[in-house]
Amino acid sequence: GEDVEQSLFLSVREGDSSVINCTYTDSSSTYLYWYKQEPGAGLQLLTYIFSNMDMKQDQRLTVLLNKKDKHLSLRIADTQTGDSAIYFCAETSFRSNTGKLIFGQGTTLQVKP
Amino acid sequence: DADVTQTPRNRITKTGKRIMLECSQTKGHDRMYWYRQDPGLGLRLIYYSFDVKDINKGEISDGYSVSRQAQAKFSLSLESAIPNQTALYFCATSPQGYPYEQYFGPGTRLTVT
Repeated sequence: GEDVEQSLFLSVREGDSSVINCTYTDSSSTYLYWYKQEPGAGLQLLTYIFSNMDMKQDQRLTVLLNKKDKHLSLRIADTQTGDSAIYFCAETSFRSNTGKLIFGQGTTLQVKP
Repeated sequence: DADVTQTPRNRITKTGKRIMLECSQTKGHDRMYWYRQDPGLGLRLIYYSFDVKDINKGEISDGYSVSRQAQAKFSLSLESAIPNQTALYFCATSPQGYPYEQYFGPGTRLTVT
């Protein structure tokens, strides 16, 4: 079945760039998403990318998609302490036609001052 | 005002009790979802609904039931709670059609003793 994998933890210094990585197995993945979860809160949609795109940029966020390797990354430029959170990668595909998302386990980003 | 609300936000209950978690949305979306989150496991889908008359099981529906009372309301019930149902529960909504982005409520933290 479909699977999405992420590393569990990343620590960076304030001002540095953060890169959170994700791999997925479903070759028919259509949309891939990044969500952010702050402590005690629900998941907030940060951005998404369609599978025919290689890159999407939105202010400090850059999403890179390597469809051949089934690898997705989220780069946060000039990381701030307010970026400390859990980041989830998720995917859906045309094949399911249900809009169901398959989530990774989440990467905890720790930003040190 | 929040677009997706969940009640209660926290609940402690005893083994064997029946409990209902409620979700309401003002986004006007047809699709609604219930997930549970456990540390290190990401989010797993319990049930989803495409409209009031269309309800489907997710990957972990055993021990749970749902009711879609209206387009805006989707409730999750635990008929006889057990300790391994202790988790964080999220409701989400999405519009019809791609990219099927999902919008999450703030979550309900449920503890079964």
